Amino acid sequence: GAVVSQHPSRVICKSGTSVKIECRSLDFQATTMFWYRQFPKQSLMLMATSNEGSKATYEQGVEKDKFLINHASLTLSTLTVTSAHPEDSSFYICSARRYRVTEAFFGQGTRLTVV
Amino acid sequence: GENVEQHPSTLSVQEGDSAVIKCTYSDSASNYFPWYKQELGKGPQLIIDIRSNVGEKKDQRIAVTLNKTAKHFSLHITETQPEDSAVYFCAASPLTGGGNKLTFGTGTQLKVEL
Repeated sequence: GAVVSQHPSRVICKSGTSVKIECRSLDFQATTMFWYRQFPKQSLMLMATSNEGSKATYEQGVEKDKFLINHASLTLSTLTVTSAHPEDSSFYICSARRYRVTEAFFGQGTRLTVV
Repeated sequence: GENVEQHPSTLSVQEGDSAVIKCTYSDSASNYFPWYKQELGKGPQLIIDIRSNVGEKKDQRIAVTLNKTAKHFSLHITETQPEDSAVYFCAASPLTGGGNKLTFGTGTQLKVEL
């Protein structure tokens, strides 16, 4: 149990285009999902927290108009990188938690390359 | 906010030896401490966690200890195997509810050599 699936695992896009990354909880209802960004050989940096049916809460310094997060159902959250630039290239990871359950389970990550 | 420090940043051990990774945290409100293993190109995998009402927890070759007074917790891996090679992250968060955020340590690259 507690499987989180992230899609796609890798994506290459051109500068100026938008990319959508999906995060699904396959066998549980995720009331809260988190989106992280990870640079090579660095730790995970929390970008935003999303609760089902509510607007996402962004961490300081994260542009909410650039990184659009939608958590429309209890099993799906999406991150859209709008007008992508090469500096947006990174490893993006989602995690999900059940209501009133502490453990957070992570997706397999998405390697975004903007050319 | 919470600050989690993790040491060492790299650790090489011989197969069969033990490995210990240590973390300290700053926020006394933190009472949940998970450890994650991340293999190259993959997302972190929860391997063990501990809550503040417990001082030690074991799961086969893996154990975690917690000293709330000193605000530090450690991961112990015994009888290391090559497949234990990965990056390990500690984290801390308050326990109250599913919306609380994890604060991660900086990671430890563990290499188990044959």
